[in-house]
Amino acid sequence: DVKVTQSSRYLVKRTGEKVFLECVQDMDHENMFWYRQDPGLGLRLIYFSYDVKMKEKGDIPEGYSVSREKKERFSLILESASTNQTSMYLCAGGTGGANEKLFFGSGTQLSVL
Amino acid sequence: RKEVEQDPGPFNVPEGATVAFNCTYSNSASQSFFWYRQDCRKEPKLLMSVYSSGNEDGRFTAQLNRASQYISLLIRDSKLSDSATYLCVVRARAGTALIFGKGTTLSVSS
Repeated sequence: DVKVTQSSRYLVKRTGEKVFLECVQDMDHENMFWYRQDPGLGLRLIYFSYDVKMKEKGDIPEGYSVSREKKERFSLILESASTNQTSMYLCAGGTGGANEKLFFGSGTQLSVL
Repeated sequence: RKEVEQDPGPFNVPEGATVAFNCTYSNSASQSFFWYRQDCRKEPKLLMSVYSSGNEDGRFTAQLNRASQYISLLIRDSKLSDSATYLCVVRARAGTALIFGKGTTLSVSS
């Protein structure tokens, strides 16, 4: 089975801290994605990457950056965490192609105090 | 108009019922369509792709109507384990990211 692993299930940080969310996939696929999910707003795409060292902005990139130094790892960075970034963060790996299927990690619930 | 719209529900049905969800999408050039399922406090998982001719997987049937720009999911003989949120997902074209609807919540009771 394919596996996408997120480093933390729950994380509590303070306003202004730099936060790293790590995601590793074992599918050997090029495509990786970061979403956040909030009640009433659904899944919103933050950033995605179709190759190593490549990144594309999603719908809500403000306040975030990403790093893709290796194919299997896609990191989401909050340069200076704010309370409105409290959310569930979901990483996914994608199979690519027209009928791309996403495999999600179990999520990181981030609370910024 | 939002890109992918779903009735949020909740749909509350008894075991054995048949229930249908609809989803509309705004981009007429959209190419790929899916239903994902998300259990409470879990990650979304692919339920099924939606093909132009319609497709079935056991008790689940997915239909696509390109002219009206909607996708449907029919669940027959509902089970308690079908209780979840069902996410409609659309891809505009190859090379673009998937767009998720906000989901429709189903609760099946005994």
